[in-house]
Parts: sequence; C-alpha cells; structure tokens
Amino acid sequence: AQTVTQSQPEMSVQEAETVTLSCTYDTSENNYYLFWYKQPPSRQMILVIRQEAYKQQNATENRFSVNFQKAAKSFSLKISDSQLGDTAMYFCAFMKHVRGGGADGLTFGKGTHLIIQP
Amino acid sequence: GAVVSQHPSRVICKSGTSVKIECRSLDFQATTMFWYRQFPKKSLMLMATSNEGSKATYEQGVEKDKFLINHASLTLSTLTVTSAHPEDSSFYICSASMMGTLNTEAFFGQGTRLTVV
Repeated sequence: AQTVTQSQPEMSVQEAETVTLSCTYDTSENNYYLFWYKQPPSRQMILVIRQEAYKQQNATENRFSVNFQKAAKSFSLKISDSQLGDTAMYFCAFMKHVRGGGADGLTFGKGTHLIIQP
Repeated sequence: GAVVSQHPSRVICKSGTSVKIECRSLDFQATTMFWYRQFPKKSLMLMATSNEGSKATYEQGVEKDKFLINHASLTLSTLTVTSAHPEDSSFYICSASMMGTLNTEAFFGQGTRLTVV
C-alpha cells in the first residue's frame, strides 16, 4: 500500500512571493506517477502538474515546478509569483503505473490549504 | 476535451432511502472510472474502481452492498448509496480514465454533495 504525507495543513504567503508545498510518500513500486492537484472552493479537482517516476528531470508548468527526489521519496511543489487565484487546497497524489496505459486510482495526501494574501 | 460530468451536484435525502449519483464522460470513452469520498476539510479517499462490463473493485472497508456501483457503458458509471444514513453525508467525486491511451491523467467530475437528513 502507498501512503502520501503532506505535513503543512495550511500556508499563507503574500501575493507575488514564492511558496513551496512539501510532500513525501512511501511505496514499494518502481513505476509510478506523482501529481499535484488544486481544489478551489468550487471543489473541482484541477491537475496542476504531473511527474513520471522514471524521469529524472523535474516537471514544470509555467509558474509551477516540482522538486522530485526519488531516493528520498519527496515531491515538493514550488509556486512562483503567487497570485490570488492560487488560493486553494493543494493535494499531492500517487498513482501506480498501469500496464497497458491509462489511469489508476489515486492515493491522496491530506492536503495543504494555501492562502495568498493581497 | 476530456470533460466528466457528475449529476446531481447536490442532493438531500431522507434516512433509509437510496440515492443515485451519475458520472458521465462527455467526450471520451472511459473503460475505468473511480469513486472517491471526501469528508469536510479532509482528503479524498478512493472507494472503488469501476470497470465497464464487470464488477467494481472496492477498497478495504467500503461496504459493497451499501455503495452499489454500476458501469454499464463506456461513458456512464453510477454510484447508488442504499439505505442512506446521516453518516453517509459527504462529498462524492468521480474520475475517469481515458480508454486506449497512455494518458495517465484522471479527469474529475465536479462532485456531488450528499446530505442525509
């Protein structure tokens, strides 16, 4: 079984600052994927960024980047130039590789409530 | 593209009754759909994996007789909460996996808030 740990229940930063959300996980799988999801007050889950475990290069998506340390089982999310619209719950999630492709069920961390202050 | 629609978005039902929640992939075929439950200010917990044309696979601790899952077509999965009790009140979210691709993204519905009174 996999576990995902987010140790920061809540974080607050000023607009335009950079913030890093931490995530660690535990698994015996060798092939897997890691995700960061954003859940705004609407409760709609929005994919922020995805990382394949077999890739050493850290994923980036515009202002969002990750620091993936496979040996340490760490997967932190960095948000640069934070904006008011970034205020939301952020969930780190783990997914096993599915033979043949497609998605599998996700194991989520408990989430970090990120507040961007004006 | 890749839109998943969940219906209803909110439902209130009386204790002892059953309620059905639908999850539809609108513009793609989904061999597999997933059902999650989210308690207030908590994480999402995977309840079951729904495969088209076969029985759902339930996670440990989830009562299969209480949470009936049907995946009758490649675009529709339903979750029926039977004999609902107030402790079943929660936010239920589905997601769908795109069939026949290497796409590892799970596409989420907008969720259903169930209140049992």
